[in-house]
Amino acid sequence: DADVTQTPRNRITKTGKRIMLECSQTKGHDRMYWYRQDPGLGLRLIYYSFDVKDINKGEISDGYSVSRQAQAKFSLSLESAIPNQTALYFCATSDSSGTGEKLFFGSGTQLSVL
Amino acid sequence: SQQGEEDPQALSIQEGENATMNCSYKTSINNLQWYRQNSGRGLVHLILIRSNEREKHSGRLRVTLDTSKKSSSLLITASRAADTASYFCATVSLSGSARQLTFGSGTQLTVLP
Repeated sequence: DADVTQTPRNRITKTGKRIMLECSQTKGHDRMYWYRQDPGLGLRLIYYSFDVKDINKGEISDGYSVSRQAQAKFSLSLESAIPNQTALYFCATSDSSGTGEKLFFGSGTQLSVL
Repeated sequence: SQQGEEDPQALSIQEGENATMNCSYKTSINNLQWYRQNSGRGLVHLILIRSNEREKHSGRLRVTLDTSKKSSSLLITASRAADTASYFCATVSLSGSARQLTFGSGTQLTVLP
């Protein structure tokens, strides 16, 4: 089945470490997004990309960077992880020409920064 | 900042009862969507209602939209234990350079068998 795959599913790291979360999709969608979810705060947008050459900051981009290596791949990096970046991270995709703004989500990466 | 705010934050009902969740938002929208999230899992799209629509149905789901009050409601009829999940509304705003989804903080629904 066409899918949105996030790796790793869980990650524990230490303050100051650089880490990368990866997302790949087989849906053929052009748009990809990174969100973080904190308890009681819903989802907040970190970065989004509408095609390979397009990268945009979301609501909470400070401390994060992204790379759109191909249409199917969108990675999120924490340059120097800090404890308040502990959260559940989701990658999502959408198709500008088909289902419009409807998002398809990966299963998430639980990140803990100690 | 959160565009949508769900009410109530938590709801507990018996199987077979109807569940109603509300969402209020702040700015003019293009469309409003509802998503479901099982514990620790990714969100799943349930239904989308456009700003020129007032009501939409999908199976046991009924969504209403009142743009004059900037509010929406999600009704789940004849609830089942498997409906236990968090439910989020998300809006696509008309403002800004790109149309992005902004999520509310969710309603945790528990359906007791």
